[in-house]
Amino acid sequence: QSVLTQPPSVSAAPGQRVTISCSGTFSNIGNNYVSWYRQFPGASPNLLIYDNDKRPSGIPDRFSASKSGTSATLDITGLQTGDEADYYCATWDTSLRGGVFGGGTKLTVL
Amino acid sequence: EIQLVESGGGLVKPGGSLRLSCAASGFTFSYYAMNWVRQAPGKGLEWVSSIGSGSSPYRYYADSVRGRIAISRDNGQNSLYLQLDSLRAEDTAIYYCSKGDFLLANSLDDWGRGTLVTVSS
Repeated sequence: QSVLTQPPSVSAAPGQRVTISCSGTFSNIGNNYVSWYRQFPGASPNLLIYDNDKRPSGIPDRFSASKSGTSATLDITGLQTGDEADYYCATWDTSLRGGVFGGGTKLTVL
Repeated sequence: EIQLVESGGGLVKPGGSLRLSCAASGFTFSYYAMNWVRQAPGKGLEWVSSIGSGSSPYRYYADSVRGRIAISRDNGQNSLYLQLDSLRAEDTAIYYCSKGDFLLANSLDDWGRGTLVTVSS
C-alpha cells in the first residue's frame, strides 16, 4: 500500500492527452514539492518534473504537471507510442520523515 | 556527464549481509545529498534511505529497513554506500543510487542503473 495514490493504469490513443493523478495528505504533498519520474521497461527511472511543475532540460513541453492542496497531476499531450512507460509521483513526508512514492501508473498508448 | 554506477549486489541467504557501493562522477559529489531507492521484481519504487551533504550529514531510513541498514558516504572517493544486514526475502530488489536532496528539494535528479540484491536460501 503506497503512501501516495495513483491509478494503476491509464490509456489513450496517439495524439490524445492523458492525465495521471497522485493523491496524498497534508504531511506529504500538502507540505512539500512533488516530483514525477518515468521508467521505461528494463530501465532505471528518470526525472520528468520537479518542484511541482518544472521540467528538467531535455523534457519536452508535452509533459506538464500541477499541484493543488494534497493532490498533484501529470499531463501528457500529443501522446506518442514512445511515451509508454510507468510513471511515478514522489515527495517527502514530513510526518514519516522519509521519501514516499506513488504506486506507479502504467501508460498504454493504444 | 553525470554517472552513478552501483555495485555489490548479489545472491545472499536470509540473515546475511551485503554492502552496496555507488561510484559517482561528473559532478562535485560532496556538494549533493544522495539516496537509495529500491524496486522489488515487478513492483513499484520504494525510497530506502537518504544522506545529506556536509561534514555532519543527516541520515534518514525507511521504516521497513530501519535498524538493519546504514547509509554512508566517502567524499574523497566520490562514493555512496549502503550496508544491508539481517537481510530478508522481502529485501530482494534492484537498488538504485540517486543524486538529489529528497528532503529539501523533494526530487531525485539522476539515477544509476541499479544493482540487484537477491535474498534466498
